Amino acid sequence: KAGVTQTPRYLIKTRGQQVTLSCSPISGHRSVSWYQQTPGQGLQFLFEYFSETQRNKGNFPGRFSGRQFSNSRSEMNVSTLELGDSALYLCASSLDGHNEQFFGPGTRLTVL
Amino acid sequence: AQRVTQPEKLLSVFKGAPVELKCNYSYSGSPELFWYVQYSRQRLQLLLRHISRESIKGFTADLNKGETSFHLKKPFAQEEDSAMYYCALKRSGSEKLVFGKGTKLTVNP
Repeated sequence: KAGVTQTPRYLIKTRGQQVTLSCSPISGHRSVSWYQQTPGQGLQFLFEYFSETQRNKGNFPGRFSGRQFSNSRSEMNVSTLELGDSALYLCASSLDGHNEQFFGPGTRLTVL
Repeated sequence: AQRVTQPEKLLSVFKGAPVELKCNYSYSGSPELFWYVQYSRQRLQLLLRHISRESIKGFTADLNKGETSFHLKKPFAQEEDSAMYYCALKRSGSEKLVFGKGTKLTVNP
């Protein structure tokens, strides 16, 4: 079985721009969670989607949004980028949200 | 609020020595506790979870509700155990994982 894939792997943007990151879960997995990893704050939960619905949300501003498609693929969008948004963004998938989460390799976002 | 604390950012031991990575949590309900590991240039992966009560790669972890701890232990460390280790908590019914800041374990030959 192919693992969780994330595209792109690296991204460089400037302040004020917006960005869209993509996550393809393991086949058959319906839950996708997103996390932000930074040296200062560590791993922080952004949101979780299940069957195209957002079920859980972390404490991030409204500039961070996401969605999930009928094939369970998920995207997250960050608008009006700030320098502090520079981070590794990880997505994780699980069967139904109550099983082991499998992580992708992450997308490294750099905001200049 | 849920919080996970890993007091050691770095931990260095010699091969064959016992190793213990500490994890303390704060949560008023019944949590699910996990240890995740990230080897160099690999993705984050689940090492073990408290409900399974199994030993993986020689590691064990016992949930101590009285001390709100979930320390990870291995009696004889191996060089291939060198990695970043993250303790994580999930409250029942939620998919949200709350992670500690991680401990970098180095096992010296």
